[in-house]
Amino acid sequence: AQKVTQAQTEISVVEKEDVTLDCVYETRDTTYYLFWYKQPPSGELVFLIRRNSFDEQNEISGRYSWNFQKSTSSFNFTITASQVVDSAVYFCALSGILDSSYKLIFGSGTRLLVRP
Amino acid sequence: GAVVSQHPSRVICKSGTSVKIECRSLDFQATTMFWYRQFPKKSLMLMATSNEGSKATYEQGVEKDKFLINHASLTLSTLTVTSAHPEDSSFYICSAEFRGGELFFGEGSRLTVL
Repeated sequence: AQKVTQAQTEISVVEKEDVTLDCVYETRDTTYYLFWYKQPPSGELVFLIRRNSFDEQNEISGRYSWNFQKSTSSFNFTITASQVVDSAVYFCALSGILDSSYKLIFGSGTRLLVRP
Repeated sequence: GAVVSQHPSRVICKSGTSVKIECRSLDFQATTMFWYRQFPKKSLMLMATSNEGSKATYEQGVEKDKFLINHASLTLSTLTVTSAHPEDSSFYICSAEFRGGELFFGEGSRLTVL
């Protein structure tokens, strides 16, 4: 069975602090994808990143960085120098490849509050 | 990036009525779309996979007669909540598969059943 665990329900930081959102996953698939999405108060889901299981290189995009470690089944997300606009719920998600389609299994989400 | 649009964004209806939510891929063709449901302050739960030209595949525990899904074209999937009741009130989100693995989500539709 596939499962995604985001143990941090809510995190509160002061602007300009760095913050790391944890994500641990379980899957029996050898090929899979990991995702991070942002859901601001308006409700829409914003795609942040997709990583396939064969690519363990860390990725940096501006203030965002991701650390993928297969050995610990983790795909953590770090925001450097957080800003108030980063306040949102962040979801980590996992998909395998079933019949050439991609069903996402979401974690429970981490609510990030960045205070000015 | 690819755009997926949902309509309506908000709908309020009386108990017993049916509500249709549309999900459109605006600038690409999507053979597969997904429908998710999100309860307040909860995660997204996959309801069903919608395949163009064929019947939807429902997840365990989702009533297919209650949540009718039609994927009539490569750019449109619809979710109809039939005989809605207050417990069906939720945030419904669709996503469309783009370029083999990238998923883009609609803005979501908030359904309130009185």
